[in-house]
Amino acid sequence: DADVTQTPRNRITKTGKRIMLECSQTKGHDRMYWYRQDPGLGLRLIYYSFDVKDINKGEISDGYSVSRQAQAKFSLSLESAIPNQTALYFCATSDLQLGPAGEQFFGPGTRLTVL
Amino acid sequence: AQKVTQAQTEISVVEKEDVTLDCVYETRDTTYYLFWYKQPPSGELVFLIRRNSFDEQNEISGRYSWNFQKSTSSFNFTITASQVVDSAVYFCALSEAVGSNSGYALNFGKGTSLLVTP
Repeated sequence: DADVTQTPRNRITKTGKRIMLECSQTKGHDRMYWYRQDPGLGLRLIYYSFDVKDINKGEISDGYSVSRQAQAKFSLSLESAIPNQTALYFCATSDLQLGPAGEQFFGPGTRLTVL
Repeated sequence: AQKVTQAQTEISVVEKEDVTLDCVYETRDTTYYLFWYKQPPSGELVFLIRRNSFDEQNEISGRYSWNFQKSTSSFNFTITASQVVDSAVYFCALSEAVGSNSGYALNFGKGTSLLVTP
């Protein structure tokens, strides 16, 4: 089984709808991240969490919110989806003990289309 | 602010050619870590290598090799005798401190799309 899973894998929604993307991990990592990938722009950090009580905004947090329900679960919400939020979304985890050396383990991605 | 630049947006080579993907970074940290990830057409992100700023030895893994040069702030990736399966987007990333609680996140370059044709 995959260590980092994301649901749904694909989603098409309409402008103005609220949508939640979910991420679960079995790696036992404290640190979890949400990134967004747009063609030609690489991955950009939306939110990150270093434990259940710690939530931080990343580079492009406007229009998004997150919830860390447990060490293993980190959800990303779009309160009112807009077309320019159409993108590929990745969840990632890393090991607190490794600090900056820790590689990030990525989920398979969620492809979101906002019409 | 830290920055990672992958100047090559797209590269196209014929199978068996060697190809080098460039990565230039900016940081004020004395200790830092650099990474390469591969994103094949299926979309997942695959970790390839991690390099710390104190280790300037080049690394080779099969057909893959990495040249880290601190003097030029570069961490270039070479594929020898490329194959069609190497076709993917390759990302270089720099670990950067975020927040006030000793946390780190990856700052990614924009990626280089490599196409290897038969």
